[in-house]
This record gives sequence, C-alpha cells and structure tokens, in this order.
Amino acid sequence: EDQVTQSPEALRLQEGESSSLNCSYTVSGLRGLFWYRQDPGKGPEFLFTLYSAGEEKEKERLKATLTKKESFLHITAPKPEDSATYLCAAYSGSARQLTFGSGTQLTVLP
Amino acid sequence: KAGVTQTPRYLIKTRGQQVTLSCSPISGHRSVSWYQQTPGQGLQFLFEYFSETQRNKGNFPGRFSGRQFSNSRSEMNVSTLELGDSALYLCASSPRLAGGEETQYFGPGTRLLVL
Repeated sequence: EDQVTQSPEALRLQEGESSSLNCSYTVSGLRGLFWYRQDPGKGPEFLFTLYSAGEEKEKERLKATLTKKESFLHITAPKPEDSATYLCAAYSGSARQLTFGSGTQLTVLP
Repeated sequence: KAGVTQTPRYLIKTRGQQVTLSCSPISGHRSVSWYQQTPGQGLQFLFEYFSETQRNKGNFPGRFSGRQFSNSRSEMNVSTLELGDSALYLCASSPRLAGGEETQYFGPGTRLLVL
C-alpha cells in the first residue's frame, strides 16, 4: 500500500530561522513527488513537482529536493507570510492516484 | 488562465439527503480528480475522470459517485448523507497530455456540513 509520511507535524520558527520539512514515501512506481501549500479554508496551492532522485527545484525562499526514499522542503529565512500547512503527495504510476501526507503546519513568528 | 472553480462553496445538509457538487477545470485540462479532506483523515482520493470516463476510484462507498461532461466539467454526488461526510471536498484538474503530465491544480473546495 502506498504511504506518505510527513514530519514534523507542526513547526514554529522565528522569522529568518531556516529549517527543513521532511516527506518520506513508499510508493509503487513513483511518477512524481509534489509539494503543495494550503492556507486555512483554501485549496492546496501547487509549489513543486519532482520526478527523479537528485532533482532540485527552487522558488523564492523554498527549495525542494528528492531522494529515492524521501523529499525535503527547505525554507530559507522564512517570513510570517510563509505560515501555512505544507503538503507532500506522491503519484503512483501503478495505482494511478495521488497519496497525500498529513502535512506539516508551519508557523513563522515575527 | 482562470483556475479551477467549484460550486457551491458552502453547503449545509441533513442526514439522509443527497448533494451534488460541481467543478470546472482549468481550460484545456481533461482530467478531473476529487478528494475529501477531513482533520482526522487528511486528503483522500475519491475518483478521477478523464474524457468522460472514470479512470480510477478510491476506497469510498458507492454512495459517492461522479461524472464528467464533454466539456470536462465534473460533478460529484453523495447520496444518503451521513454525519461523517462533513468535509472539504476538493476538485483538481490536470492536463493529461500524452506522456503523462501529472501535476494537479486544486480548486478552493466545497465545505459540506451534514447535520
């Protein structure tokens, strides 16, 4: 059974304090690893897609990386507006569906 | 380009009733997937439609059904509502180009409350 686990469940950072969120996955026939940001009461907002181990993508203060077993979302010098729940999802080519992790709730304090 | 739109945004129903939710995908996107999001279970896959055909289905009872129209718009229906069906229902669309572009773009969701 496909499984995606995110850690930590919650993370509180001071503004400017860099950190990383972890997403470990066990998926049959990985076709893509996705990161989304979700604000309360809203739908997930797409951030990154990673397709193969070693791949990295960056957007503003965020950088996503992928290995054969896990993905990391690095947040450099975060700002309060980065506060949100960050979701990781893996697409299985055999199951043909996205499996989501439970998310990391990030709070950045000013 | 306009994003994924979902209607209605909020719904209140009572147990035993049925409900229909609507989703309009991004223009040109042919695949629509539906998800249920609850605090306890997180985001769970309901089903995916592509070219008016159900391509895949998650582990939900038959009370949950859907369809897709020729313009790629999709509806999902929940019959005989239960209290546990209270959730945020999310629709996502993807291009499904040849070669399998899998990135899914989500709508704002429909918040369903069952009393």
